[in-house]
Amino acid sequence: DGGITQSPKYLFRKEGQNVTLSCEQNLNHDAMYWYRQDPGQGLRLIYYSQIVNDFQKGDIAEGYSVSREKKESFPLTVTSAQKNPTAFYLCASSPGVFQETQYFGPGTRLLVL
Amino acid sequence: RKEVEQDPGPFNVPEGATVAFNCTYSNSASQSFFWYRQDCRKEPKLLMSVYSSGNEDGRFTAQLNRASQYISLLIRDSKLSDSATYLCVVNNAQPTDSWGKLQFGAGTQVVVTP
Repeated sequence: DGGITQSPKYLFRKEGQNVTLSCEQNLNHDAMYWYRQDPGQGLRLIYYSQIVNDFQKGDIAEGYSVSREKKESFPLTVTSAQKNPTAFYLCASSPGVFQETQYFGPGTRLLVL
Repeated sequence: RKEVEQDPGPFNVPEGATVAFNCTYSNSASQSFFWYRQDCRKEPKLLMSVYSSGNEDGRFTAQLNRASQYISLLIRDSKLSDSATYLCVVNNAQPTDSWGKLQFGAGTQVVVTP
């Protein structure tokens, strides 16, 4: 089955720790995205990537980093600089960056210990 | 002012009834619009796109009012399985933009009761 997978489903972070969220897609999509969802707020874009080895900051990139070494993979690292990391993180992909329909992974819920 | 605003609800709807709710957007140049459905603690899934004045898909009807800058979603003959949060999504990309930036509303919660 084609789709987007994210792991882990739940992740706990200690103070000062960097953690990495995995996102993999087998849809052969060029574009991939990371969003953060907080209660009562719409999804906010963290980073996006149009193509392998290229990525751009979204609206709330501070405290996060990404890489795009393979078309299928777009991992997100939440660094210790992100002071309020508790949120639901959603990865998405689309055939091209100008394709509006985005397909979402099941999400990772990050909690701070 | 938020770029995309929705009534958070909840809209409590008896099974079989009709429910409708709106979403307002601030950018008059917005080109395309979408409704996504999100179940509790799950990912959003595309429900329908709204490219012109509106469209219909089974029990769901979406309408676009460009003059007043809002889109609406109407659900007829509500089912228990329609209980979810409905996200309004607006694409503010212009022809000169290099990519289509989506703006998400915070969602409207619908609860269908037996």
